[in-house]
Amino acid sequence: ETGVTQSPTHLIKTRGQQVTLRCSSQSGHNTVSWYQQALGQGPQFIFQYYREEENGRGNFPPRFSGLQFPNYSSELNVNALELDDSALYLCASSIPGGYTGDTQYFGPGTRLTVL
Amino acid sequence: GENVEQHPSTLSVQEGDSAVIKCTYSDSASNYFPWYKQELGKGPQLIIDIRSNVGEKKDQRIAVTLNKTAKHFSLHITETQPEDSAVYFCAARPDNYGQNFVFGPGTRLSVLP
Repeated sequence: ETGVTQSPTHLIKTRGQQVTLRCSSQSGHNTVSWYQQALGQGPQFIFQYYREEENGRGNFPPRFSGLQFPNYSSELNVNALELDDSALYLCASSIPGGYTGDTQYFGPGTRLTVL
Repeated sequence: GENVEQHPSTLSVQEGDSAVIKCTYSDSASNYFPWYKQELGKGPQLIIDIRSNVGEKKDQRIAVTLNKTAKHFSLHITETQPEDSAVYFCAARPDNYGQNFVFGPGTRLSVLP
């Protein structure tokens, strides 16, 4: 088990609503990446936060936004939810740079269902 | 951008046999290739990784090989056990600013007792 935690575990929302997902990074890790994993597919990169700044973004619309706090925990916010947003949302923490800087450790994920 | 393909999509082996999963990537600048194991209801767990300056890496029953010229890398699991049953993902990290990974679509491995 990694030290990355996510909340909530499961969430059900309706189309058009907004949702906030939370992630606490592993101790000492200052970088958090968010991924969306649709059923039966590999994770897709949403964005990454490093020292409270967005540090790279995948092909996701602006209604996906995030924050990172001084303690390196992070939030993912999704506005105007669509049915296709139903997925497992994963966060991963890491320390950039150095030999082990590439390694990302994933949390258990938040399962979001949009009805 | 980077594209990662993975084969096979499903793999069934008898306990004790070996399993091999293969991935190809498109971006020759990619320099880091991790493999993750994902069990039902859990997040991906890193099992082994390899960097572009290394051709092979082994950790007990698990090994990974990398062919930079052909742009493919493979996961080898020997002496498979039922607890190896899971979905395995390969990934590649493009050499750009930010540490996002591009994942393959996954291989569902079933080890039959």
